[in-house]
Amino acid sequence: DAKTTQPPSMDCAEGRAANLPCNHSTISGNEYVYWYRQIHSQGPQYIIHGLKNNETNEMASLIITEDRKSSTLILPHATLRDTAVYYCIASPFYNQGGKLIFGQGTELSVKP
Amino acid sequence: NAGVTQTPKFQVLKTGQSMTLQCAQDMNHNSMYWYRQDPGMGLRLIYYSASEGTTDKGEVPNGYNVSRLNKREFSLRLESAAPSQTSVYFCASSDGQGANTGELFFGEGSRLTVL
Repeated sequence: DAKTTQPPSMDCAEGRAANLPCNHSTISGNEYVYWYRQIHSQGPQYIIHGLKNNETNEMASLIITEDRKSSTLILPHATLRDTAVYYCIASPFYNQGGKLIFGQGTELSVKP
Repeated sequence: NAGVTQTPKFQVLKTGQSMTLQCAQDMNHNSMYWYRQDPGMGLRLIYYSASEGTTDKGEVPNGYNVSRLNKREFSLRLESAAPSQTSVYFCASSDGQGANTGELFFGEGSRLTVL
């Protein structure tokens, strides 16, 4: 699995967009980019994933650069409840299950 | 629809005692996982089961054993607990098919203290 690099912490004002960067310069062609978040001590929550196209769902948008060496998770209107640790993971696509290796993540603090 | 259920939620053990953490999912998922999370750290994969009948080691398997009892259940056993195994343990499951391979659903965690 490709190594990912994220800033250890970020702040964002409530109501503004939160843009969380992730570097995965050694990503290979069969590796997806996954984003998860963990609020306080709860179990991690899946947010979104993508291969090479930008993706959007009800929670967030994922922008992957054309060379796939980096990506950005966008929370369009951050709220206090978005305060969490956000994990970016690069993992291969498997036909019969696989594994996700979590790194240290980015601690996002949304402030009033 | 309970999702992923872990038992017990809290446990205190003495060094050398054994115990089993239970995990069950009701989403008909193929793959199941056990992670541990130490204070201030990210999650580390202990073992995973890509499908019923198979198990594989993750990043930190030493000191643990697992059993994929059936498609629903995946247990984690500590044969001789050590203080270094004090942690929060998370079970997860995924469909394990196609692009949803990496979409994991997590339980609420089991908080284990070994004295």
